[in-house]
Amino acid sequence: KAGVTQTPRYLIKTRGQQVTLSCSPISGHRSVSWYQQTPGQGLQFLFEYFSETQRNKGNFPGRFSGRQFSNSRSEMNVSTLELGDSALYLCASSSLGASGLGDTQYFGPGTRLTVL
Amino acid sequence: AQKVTQAQTEISVVEKEDVTLDCVYETRDTTYYLFWYKQPPSGELVFLIRRNSFDEQNEISGRYSWNFQKSTSSFNFTITASQVVDSAVYFCALSESYGQNFVFGPGTRLSVLP
Repeated sequence: KAGVTQTPRYLIKTRGQQVTLSCSPISGHRSVSWYQQTPGQGLQFLFEYFSETQRNKGNFPGRFSGRQFSNSRSEMNVSTLELGDSALYLCASSSLGASGLGDTQYFGPGTRLTVL
Repeated sequence: AQKVTQAQTEISVVEKEDVTLDCVYETRDTTYYLFWYKQPPSGELVFLIRRNSFDEQNEISGRYSWNFQKSTSSFNFTITASQVVDSAVYFCALSESYGQNFVFGPGTRLSVLP
């Protein structure tokens, strides 16, 4: 099976712009989670989608949003970019069922966003 | 609240040495899951192991072994006979049973010198 793919791999934007990142989960996986990784804050959970519904959300401002499509692909959007949004954004998928029991997350290579 | 502590920020060892990476967690749940991931310089997090709170059996996989002790809330990871390819950042993570929001520790950067 192909792994989790993320596009683009690298992105450079300027403050105030908006950006959309894409994630394709492993075939058959229905849950997609997003994380932000920075040197100062480490790995932080953004949100999780299951069957096109946001099921969990981390402690990030409303500028960060996401969605999931019927094929389980997911996008996350950051509006009004700030310098502090520069980070590696990681997407993970799991074959989590509706019961919500913990399952292994498999990560993509990430999108490195630089905000100038 | 969940919390994961990895007290060792950076470790350097010489090839063939054994090394143990520590992980201490906090949770009020009786059902939870613990994970270890490896992040090589390429950036992708590679899954190593998953353990649920009811399974305290230690596990060995090749040169890797894990020691889970609920009494001390620890889930330590040992690499035996380390190799240069083991150089990476290693993360311990905790997940409650009804959430997919993993809480990651700060990571331990392991450098294995030839």
